[in-house]
Amino acid sequence: DAKTTQPTSMDCAEGRAANLPCNHSTISGNEYVYWYRQIHSQGPQYIIHGLKNNETNEMASLIITEDRKSSTLILPHATLRDTAVYYCIVRGTNAGKSTFGDGTTLTVKP
Amino acid sequence: EAGVAQSPRYKIIEKRQSVAFWCNPISGHATLYWYQQILGQGPKLLIQFQNNGVVDDSQLPKDRFSAERLKGVDSTLKIQPAKLEDSAVYLCASSLDPDRWQPQHFGDGTRLSIL
Repeated sequence: DAKTTQPTSMDCAEGRAANLPCNHSTISGNEYVYWYRQIHSQGPQYIIHGLKNNETNEMASLIITEDRKSSTLILPHATLRDTAVYYCIVRGTNAGKSTFGDGTTLTVKP
Repeated sequence: EAGVAQSPRYKIIEKRQSVAFWCNPISGHATLYWYQQILGQGPKLLIQFQNNGVVDDSQLPKDRFSAERLKGVDSTLKIQPAKLEDSAVYLCASSLDPDRWQPQHFGDGTRLSIL
């Protein structure tokens, strides 16, 4: 499975867009990119996933570069409740296997 | 729908004792995962079941950890004997059909402290 690289931490002002980058330069053609987040004392929560095209749901948008070597998770209007650790994961051909890195700690500030 | 249920929420034991965790996945989810999450790190996969068969247990310390998923529904993870380095949160997750790229849904975990 492809490994991912994320910044250790990021800050964002409340009400502004939070853009979280992820590098997955060794991604294979059939591997999806998934994003999860983990709020303190809770299990990871699924946010969004994509293969090639940009995706949007009620929580966030996912922008995947054309060469698929990197992606960006966008929280359009960050709130204090979005403070969490965000994990970018690439899932390989072994059905369901996901390797989590240490994620990005996003702190949304008033 | 009901989420992934785990119990107990917290457990404190002394080293060399044994402990067991229980997980009830989302109804109809064929795949079940156990992860270990050490403080400050991302979750590490211990074992993955597809129905009641093991798909991947390559990172399970088999000399002390065991897991089973009887009847392809509930699962238990056991540690015997526990070591200090086993202090962590143990997360259970399930997914509907990972071959169709369905995401994993996680429980809130069991926080294990070894004294």
